[in-house]
Amino acid sequence: QSALTQPPSVSGSPGQSVTISCTGTSSDIGFYNRVSWYQQTPGTAPKLLIVEVTNRPSGVPDRFSASKSGNTASLTISGLQTEDEADYYCSSYTTSSSLVFGGGTRLTVL
Amino acid sequence: QVQLQESGPGLVKPSETLSLTCTVSASSINTPYHWGWIRQPPGKRLEWLGIIYHSGSASYNPSLRGRVSMSIDSSKNQFSLKLTSVTAADTAVYYCAGETDYDSFGYIHWGQGTLVTVAS
Repeated sequence: QSALTQPPSVSGSPGQSVTISCTGTSSDIGFYNRVSWYQQTPGTAPKLLIVEVTNRPSGVPDRFSASKSGNTASLTISGLQTEDEADYYCSSYTTSSSLVFGGGTRLTVL
Repeated sequence: QVQLQESGPGLVKPSETLSLTCTVSASSINTPYHWGWIRQPPGKRLEWLGIIYHSGSASYNPSLRGRVSMSIDSSKNQFSLKLTSVTAADTAVYYCAGETDYDSFGYIHWGQGTLVTVAS
């Protein structure tokens, strides 16, 4: 199962919005709504931001939103804050009964 | 607050078996949700290894070609990972994780991770 495709890096200034894409296939993102997004800072475990395409777990700021269209999922972070600087990963369940992650996107807040 | 804690050797020799245990606190392991193992080689992406349900039913990443197995011990509120015939490519931080809802595959509970190095 190939990894989902994410841009290696994105950047933005405080207060701006950025969107991170996650491209899969009709066997994963395009087939299931089991798409999640995670935030990871160095040396720590990933933190769940979004589950089942659009749902934010309790405690996740509403600055984080997500969507899906066809085989591509997207995470948008609005009102960028310096603390948002981290690596972001998407994941999707697949028709092979496994979970696949994206390659990760490094967000730099300029 | 559900807490997960990985434990096991930090160094494993090539061709041997990697064994890790995850202890779950503040929640019973006997829920409809599954528990999973995920790893991350240094500087690389996350890789899903597989999941196990309280019934003992498990599902594994096909890319591991039968080297992986998982088990669950409800009496100890623990679940475990075994990975056989390890090589240097299996060097990674290993995380155990718990999902938000039944088969959501969104992992909200994570252990702190444990680095396992494969070297002689």
